Amino acid sequence: EAAVTQSPRSKVAVTGGKVTLSCHQTNNHDYMYWYRQDTGHGLRLIHYSYVADSTEKGDIPDGYKASRPSQENFSLILELASLSQTAVYFCASSDAGQTNTGQLYFGEGSKLTVL
Amino acid sequence: QQQVRQSPQSLTVWEGETAILNCSYENSAFDYFPWYQQFPGEGPALLISILSVSNKKEDGRFTIFFNKREKKLSLHIADSQPGDSATYFCAASGWANTGKLTFGHGTILRVHP
Repeated sequence: EAAVTQSPRSKVAVTGGKVTLSCHQTNNHDYMYWYRQDTGHGLRLIHYSYVADSTEKGDIPDGYKASRPSQENFSLILELASLSQTAVYFCASSDAGQTNTGQLYFGEGSKLTVL
Repeated sequence: QQQVRQSPQSLTVWEGETAILNCSYENSAFDYFPWYQQFPGEGPALLISILSVSNKKEDGRFTIFFNKREKKLSLHIADSQPGDSATYFCAASGWANTGKLTFGHGTILRVHP
């Protein structure tokens, strides 16, 4: 019944390898986001999208790409994973555009460990 | 540059006490301030929010006090319960209607029974 689902929930990757994190939402929201959470750093915005086939850079986009092939799906791609990208990644959708503020609805997170 | 700051980093209170979590910001363009609650192993979820045109917002045991002049706000949790033990994030955005939030580092709240 979860409206924002992420896969995989956990992944171990090797340095230099490619990693794709996927997100699917059933909220019918236009906006989707990828945030990164590190202990002691809160959440930081990596990429976001407000329409299919278009993505925007967030506050920390370096080393990440994003893809929005449809309204429901939003992927985060690490072409060359590095140790510093070990973190928990959260996808979210938002009713921004339908309301004047935009509540975020988060998935359960994807824990990425780069070795 | 940390635009949204929270204090304390962690807070422990006894059941029934009022927990006070503090937040401050630097960007005068911020107009919307939500608080998100996160339990271990879960994504954050919206708890309560306030717009800068108000100085107080209540929702049950949760109250936000907002001081625009000082760029400060606080979340008061009255009659704290063990189930309130979680990490609380203060966030901020402008009325740009994009949902882009800047988060603080969070306050870990522990409520002892």
